[in-house]
Amino acid sequence: DQQVKQNSPSLSVQEGRISILNCDYTNSMFDYFLWYKKYPAEGPTFLISISSIKDKNEDGRFTVFLNKSAKHLSLHIVPSQPGDSAVYFCAASDGGSNYKLTFGKGTLLTVNP
Amino acid sequence: KAGVTQTPRYLIKTRGQQVTLSCSPISGHRSVSWYQQTPGQGLQFLFEYFSETQRNKGNFPGRFSGRQFSNSRSEMNVSTLELGDSALYLCASSLRPSSYEQYFGPGTRLTVT
Repeated sequence: DQQVKQNSPSLSVQEGRISILNCDYTNSMFDYFLWYKKYPAEGPTFLISISSIKDKNEDGRFTVFLNKSAKHLSLHIVPSQPGDSAVYFCAASDGGSNYKLTFGKGTLLTVNP
Repeated sequence: KAGVTQTPRYLIKTRGQQVTLSCSPISGHRSVSWYQQTPGQGLQFLFEYFSETQRNKGNFPGRFSGRQFSNSRSEMNVSTLELGDSALYLCASSLRPSSYEQYFGPGTRLTVT
């Protein structure tokens, strides 16, 4: 049973436009969410995170939105750049005494020049 | 500051053999986590070590084990390899245990034939 789902395996966007990557979760105990970006032959790189007490967190071109009632979060990248082309992983944790991260399967974002 | 390093980067083994993978965390980081990445399952947590002690463990069989040394370097071992163990094994380090913000190495690509 996959607790963190990224239903779109891939997404293609034009340079300068908005990229929206979606993530759904099923475990209501998750209280912290992260996005990682991964380039080929490299490990994932932490991008941005959000606590369940917030519904939005912004860092430059990246904004993460959290809708707890829908158990849904999204990552917005505006404006998208070709260098943003990578696999994006959504991850969640239930905190408490067990901080292990549960990852989605990832979404491949391609930003076309 | 040097990043997380993993050795070897690529490995080919046959079924039934065992394998040991190594991870050197970022200098000063004392927590090391291991993940398995496969196309079908995405990124899955294996275990976390801090101060030479395993703190968290994912849902993997006992064939998967690990350890951490006093210098924070970590190794993971897989015994009696199966074809399904073919994956990218990622190591991540963080300053503190149970930290959400982890820094990943490039991974070791293990192929079991």
